Amino acid sequence: DTAVSQTPKYLVTQMGNDKSIKCEQNLGHDTMYWYKQDSKKFLKIMFSYNNKELIINETVPNRFSPKSPDKAHLNLHINSLELGDSAVYFCASSQSQRRDEAFFGQGTRLTVV
Amino acid sequence: AQSVAQPEDQVNVAEGNPLTVKCTYSVSGNPYLFWYVQYPNRGLQFLLKYITGDNLVKGSYGFEAEFNKSQTSFHLKKPSALVSDSALYFCAVRDIPYNFNKFYFGSGTKLNVKP
Repeated sequence: DTAVSQTPKYLVTQMGNDKSIKCEQNLGHDTMYWYKQDSKKFLKIMFSYNNKELIINETVPNRFSPKSPDKAHLNLHINSLELGDSAVYFCASSQSQRRDEAFFGQGTRLTVV
Repeated sequence: AQSVAQPEDQVNVAEGNPLTVKCTYSVSGNPYLFWYVQYPNRGLQFLLKYITGDNLVKGSYGFEAEFNKSQTSFHLKKPSALVSDSALYFCAVRDIPYNFNKFYFGSGTKLNVKP
């Protein structure tokens, strides 16, 4: 019973391509996030959605477009991939009105060649 | 402004010795504080949290953390380290009520426990 699941786990693609990462949570949470972990292991928030509405967009390039079809899913589409996009992308979820921790997916390692 | 500082990139400790991983924070409101652990090629796993109440909180795998409001710190501790504790540890904070939908993370501390 995986709480937050992401697919794919690994993604290798060429510069200029468009790719998507999918995320689903079965915890009933109302808030979902995308975090980027760079090669130095820094974790930086990219987006946050609450009940399918975008509430945080941390100056991420327009090539990154999140989509939340319902509150259990948050997908990330990336256009025109660049070398600098190579990183591990983590999806997470939490309940906004509770004092809860965030639950993280296992990550998607994106390598742009 | 909200931020989390983990001043040590790496902590080395011998198995059986006590360990401390340091964390300080800055928030505008009240802090909800968390510790996570990340093993290689894995996601972040929750260890423990401080919301309110006792300053000493206990979590998974024998870890505990002490909240110190005057020093704005939330250091992670364990009385006796295990080799299997070797991993990357992240401190995180939610700024309540100003940014309750955002978790701010520190830069991470790599814990090395040697046999």
